[in-house]
Amino acid sequence: EIVLTQSPATLSLSPGERATLSCGASQSISSSYLAWYQQKPGLAPRLLIYDVSNRATGIPDRFSGSGSGTYFTLTISRLELEDFAVYYCQQYGSSPLFGGGTKVEI
Amino acid sequence: QVQLQESGPGLVKPSATLSLTCSVSGGSINTYYWSWIRQSPGKGLEWIGYIYYTGSTNYNPSLKSRVTISVDTSKNQFSLELRSVTAADTAVYFCAREAQQWVRSWFDPWGQGILVTVSS
Repeated sequence: EIVLTQSPATLSLSPGERATLSCGASQSISSSYLAWYQQKPGLAPRLLIYDVSNRATGIPDRFSGSGSGTYFTLTISRLELEDFAVYYCQQYGSSPLFGGGTKVEI
Repeated sequence: QVQLQESGPGLVKPSATLSLTCSVSGGSINTYYWSWIRQSPGKGLEWIGYIYYTGSTNYNPSLKSRVTISVDTSKNQFSLELRSVTAADTAVYFCAREAQQWVRSWFDPWGQGILVTVSS
């Protein structure tokens, strides 16, 4: 059974700074089946990235995803106020699984 | 575009069965995979299970013994039953569609979520 570990649990940054969020898998994730979501309080998660590096419709290009195998990264090039939220990675396939989340706080 | 809406009781007694329905509008339930996902207060996301429009299912092993997901294509909706609930099942329950037809993929769109509290 795959385990997804996100780090750090909390990232304290200022607007304009670069955020780098990590997602590690206990086993290799096949076929680039990895997505990233953003969640704000009281709302459903919002898809940001799918297939490791493809931005979803309407997602600004300051968000980018990379990685392969067991290590994946979500980068926010320059944080804007609306980017402070919780971010989850997710592997999809036969048994979807979410990481524990990274909170990006001001 | 496709919209999902969860409905059901917001309060369920311990040991009872939690029953929720997800109504799909703006598109057909056919040819897609549909999931239930939950989030306990202040915690992360937990996938509960999915159903394909044909009726085939797959459940999270940690919940498999208590979960049934069903689909009603004529009503364009699918449902969740979680039996023998305890306080640990208190959560916001989301329904979601996998984005691509026919094959497994990421979740998009999501419903807004419904808070279900287990309490006597």
